[in-house]
Amino acid sequence: DGGITQSPKYLFRKEGQNVTLSCEQNLNHDAMYWYRQDPGQGLRLIYYSQIVNDFQKGDIAEGYSVSREKKESFPLTVTSAQKNPTAFYLCASSRTGTTYGYTFGSGTRLTVV
Amino acid sequence: GQQVMQIPQYQHVQEGEDFTTYCNSSTTLSNIQWYKQRPGGHPVFLIQLVKSGEVKKQKRLTFQFGEAKKNSSLHITATQTTDVGTYFCAGTGNQFYFGTGTSLTVIP
Repeated sequence: DGGITQSPKYLFRKEGQNVTLSCEQNLNHDAMYWYRQDPGQGLRLIYYSQIVNDFQKGDIAEGYSVSREKKESFPLTVTSAQKNPTAFYLCASSRTGTTYGYTFGSGTRLTVV
Repeated sequence: GQQVMQIPQYQHVQEGEDFTTYCNSSTTLSNIQWYKQRPGGHPVFLIQLVKSGEVKKQKRLTFQFGEAKKNSSLHITATQTTDVGTYFCAGTGNQFYFGTGTSLTVIP
């Protein structure tokens, strides 16, 4: 079955460390997205990519970095520059353009300890 | 900038009662999508509306897109405990934005 896989499900990070969240899809979707979800604040866009080797900043890109070397993969690195990284991170994919619904992964819950 | 607001933020209903969430945009939208996120889960795409005044139904769920394409609503008839979750709208204006979500609790 086609889908989008995020790993790990839970991640604990010490202050000052970089961590990378994995996102893989086998839906043959061109577009991929990273969202951050905090309680009561809905979904906020971190980065998105509409094609391999190209990506764009979203509304809250500071302290994050991404790469898109393969169509299937869109990893997100949470750097030590992100001052409040504890959150639920959701990866999504879609056909190109916003007229298609997004398919979301099951998310990674990151906690800074 | 463009924002997509939803009201109410929280709603508690008795099982069997109806429920409605409203989505309002500051700009005209070319489309509106609705998603459901179960507690502890991830958002799941429900439906998309693109035409002014469009109404679509999925069993007990009715989705409506306003005539001016700036607002939308989701109405659930006779709620069940399986309807529990957060409902998000998302729309395309100059960018694609998710709404703030409405968290629905159904009391058995």
